[in-house]
Amino acid sequence: EAQVTQNPRYLITVTGKKLTVTCSQNMNHEYMSWYRQDPGLGLRQIYYSMNVEVTDKGDVPEGYKVSRKEKRNFPLILESPSPNQTSLYFCASSSLDWLDGQYFGPGTRLTVT
Amino acid sequence: KQEVTQIPAALSVPEGENLVLNCSFTDSAIYNLQWFRQDPGKGLTSLLLIQSSQREQTSGRLNASLDKSSGRSTLYIAASQPGDSATYLCAVRRGSGGGADGLTFGKGTHLIIQP
Repeated sequence: EAQVTQNPRYLITVTGKKLTVTCSQNMNHEYMSWYRQDPGLGLRQIYYSMNVEVTDKGDVPEGYKVSRKEKRNFPLILESPSPNQTSLYFCASSSLDWLDGQYFGPGTRLTVT
Repeated sequence: KQEVTQIPAALSVPEGENLVLNCSFTDSAIYNLQWFRQDPGKGLTSLLLIQSSQREQTSGRLNASLDKSSGRSTLYIAASQPGDSATYLCAVRRGSGGGADGLTFGKGTHLIIQP
């Protein structure tokens, strides 16, 4: 089954404790991206990657890092999480031409206290 | 900067009605437009994708149209059912002059279908 998976699905952590949210897709997609969803602000793009070793900033990249060492994986790293990064995070992927649109993962609900 | 607006923000209708959700965007230089459905606390399910060269797409009881020149899209839901209750999101893929390559989302229409 074609899918985008994220882990963990739920995470509660404390300010300053480094964490990684993993994202993996099994569709051989070149393009992958991270979004965060906040009440009243909607979904906003954090980072994206067009291919292995190619990453670029989205609309709200501050406080986040990403890496793309393998085509299928695109982890989101919070080096020093802060309470304003409490949010619902989504990973998405697509072919480079976006012919079938974006496929989204199930989401990771992060709470930073 | 691309902005996407969805009207209405919330809608409650009796079961069986046909309804239209509206989406407008400020920059007509888009690659495509995608409609999603989101159930409470869940992920995004893609409903329909319209490429910039297309005028409409249909899937079952859903029909989406795109008028790129006027910056508008509509999602038509026929014979609504309680299972259609969800938040519907409209998103456009930004064109080459729109900054980062990604989706700009509207804030959604929260739809309730009354049994």
